[in-house]
Amino acid sequence: EPEVTQTPSHQVTQMGQEVILRCVPISNHLYFYWYRQILGQKVEFLVSFYNNEISEKSEIFDDQFSVERPDGSNFTLKIRSTKLEDSAMYFCASSEAGQFNEKLFFGSGTQLSVL
Amino acid sequence: SQQGEEDPQALSIQEGENATMNCSYKTSINNLQWYRQNSGRGLVHLILIRSNEREKHSGRLRVTLDTSKKSSSLLITASRAADTASYFCATADNAGGTSYGKLTFGQGTILTVHP
Repeated sequence: EPEVTQTPSHQVTQMGQEVILRCVPISNHLYFYWYRQILGQKVEFLVSFYNNEISEKSEIFDDQFSVERPDGSNFTLKIRSTKLEDSAMYFCASSEAGQFNEKLFFGSGTQLSVL
Repeated sequence: SQQGEEDPQALSIQEGENATMNCSYKTSINNLQWYRQNSGRGLVHLILIRSNEREKHSGRLRVTLDTSKKSSSLLITASRAADTASYFCATADNAGGTSYGKLTFGQGTILTVHP
């Protein structure tokens, strides 16, 4: 089965530094998402992206966050100035047509540790 | 309680037994999905049940949905050691303007199946 790939699997950074998390969604999928899971907490929606635009974003997704699809295959999440509380597992996901009643395909995640 | 609360939080059973996990939610939903997460890995979609469906089967999985009680259950029959994982319910809200892939996840149930 096709899969969503994320790199790196682990990222350690210093507080205040910029990080870019990378994802390659499934090739024929049109909708892309970022979720995060802080240790011991629920998986939380961050942002959805379609047609080179943000479709929806959560309150978590403030000005420190941005997403981009720089080419036909990659989808990135940038955190401009990381904070300790940004430490979490970040999941990229994609879906084929962005319809209700459609499943999401998740990557294995990037564990971000902010020191 | 918050949207998408599962119980029990942890479940420990013997191989061959059935495992039942419950999920409650608060808002009007379009569908409810169950995902599985192996330790340190991504989320894998198991099954989706639409708001107008009451029961759905997929292999050893059986999901029920009671929209009047805003609850769902996931039954895994004849469990195997390989079923050991965390299981999450996730709801797609029926709110106007909500993007399709915006899911609200529960806290999850940690299932341990002993061989």
